[in-house]
This record gives sequence, C-alpha cells and structure tokens, in this order.
Amino acid sequence: GAGVSQSPSNKVTEKGKDVELRCDPISGHTALYWYRQSLGQGLEFLIYFQGNSAPDKSGLPSDRFSAERTGGSVSTLTIQRTQQEDSAVYLCASSRQGASYGYTFGSGTRLTVV
Amino acid sequence: DAKTTQPTSMDCAEGRAANLPCNHSTISGNEYVYWYRQIHSQGPQYIIHGLKNNETNEMASLIITEDRKSSTLILPHATLRDTAVYYCIVRVSITQGGSEKLVFGKGTKLTVNP
Repeated sequence: GAGVSQSPSNKVTEKGKDVELRCDPISGHTALYWYRQSLGQGLEFLIYFQGNSAPDKSGLPSDRFSAERTGGSVSTLTIQRTQQEDSAVYLCASSRQGASYGYTFGSGTRLTVV
Repeated sequence: DAKTTQPTSMDCAEGRAANLPCNHSTISGNEYVYWYRQIHSQGPQYIIHGLKNNETNEMASLIITEDRKSSTLILPHATLRDTAVYYCIVRVSITQGGSEKLVFGKGTKLTVNP
C-alpha cells in the first residue's frame, strides 16, 4: 500500500486480557518501529526492527510486551495481561535504512483497557 | 533522552511566517536534523530534514547554523491547519551491528491564530 497500515484502529479490552496490534509497513522499508503515546504525552520508543538483525527491545516497558516481525514485513505487538496504564495510542513507523530517510508513521491503534 | 530542546509553545498569526527554533548543541557530525509534526489524534507527519545545508520543500524551509548547534523550521505562510505539535529530532546513521531510534522530545505546540 501507499502508507503504513495499522489495525485495529481502536481496541477496547478488559484488564487482564491479551491484545495483538498489527502493523503493515511500506513495501521495501527495512526498518520498522513501534512507539506509544499516552494521553497528552510525547512519543515513547518501544522497539525497532532492522532487516534480519536482532531487534532493539530497549524501550519495552515490561516483559508483558513483545513484538515480532515475520518475513521482514508485517509486525505484531502483543501485550499480555493488559493493565489500565497500557491505555495509549500505539504508533508504528517504517523507513528505508539510513539516516537520510524519514520515517512514515501509521495512524495508530488506540488501546483502551477497562 | 531527547538531544534537542524546543520552546514549549508558540503563537503565530495566520498568513505570517512561523519560525520554530531548536537547539541541538551536542549534535555529532553524522547526525541529521529531522522535523515532524503531529496534528491532534493523528500519527506524526514528516516535514523536512537536513545535515549541514539549508533545505526547502513544499512544506517548509530548514535553516541550520554553521556550527550545527541549532536550527529553525520556517513555515512561510502559516495557515490554521498548521496548528500542531512540532518535533525537532536528531537522527544518527546506522553503524554496523548498531541500532537507532528517533527520540522524540516534548516538541513545540504551535497555535496559528486567525
């Protein structure tokens, strides 16, 4: 597609349930990033994938969070045993490799844990 | 931590130029300066980036000082739709086996007034 696609756009879940968020990057973009943004806050880095290299997971807030990227394309962010503080907009971005290329962000998934 | 500092907020009159400053006094020689903006409830949108030279595109101009310790984003004729949070970010080139992530600060809330 022309842009980064994220699904679902909105997700309401009960505390304690697991959720999966999906990101479909731009074709040909080898780098993929997950960020989250809590209400009124800035963007918080979560995880970064680059090609076949081991991902940079340094931003994941707890071991309840995990992400994978299959075949170097689609990525899934999984949150286990969701808590209310996980409520946020989860943003995915993709980019070509190299600092001369900008990121393209998706529209995000708004997660609400009730 | 973000490597940039920006004013928390700015106002601009519609039709006038908006000049958004950014300090990045610890920038390294291979780090690009990127600008993004985020309009309420949308994903961040790429605006422009540069390394040493001033840059211009259909959205904005980027003026980087000779010592590269600061830069200014210029929106030449601001409209009401330019009201957004503007983020200034430095991005490092990927080194072999290394990792990178864009670190977003709190940005500048630009309000364009009629």
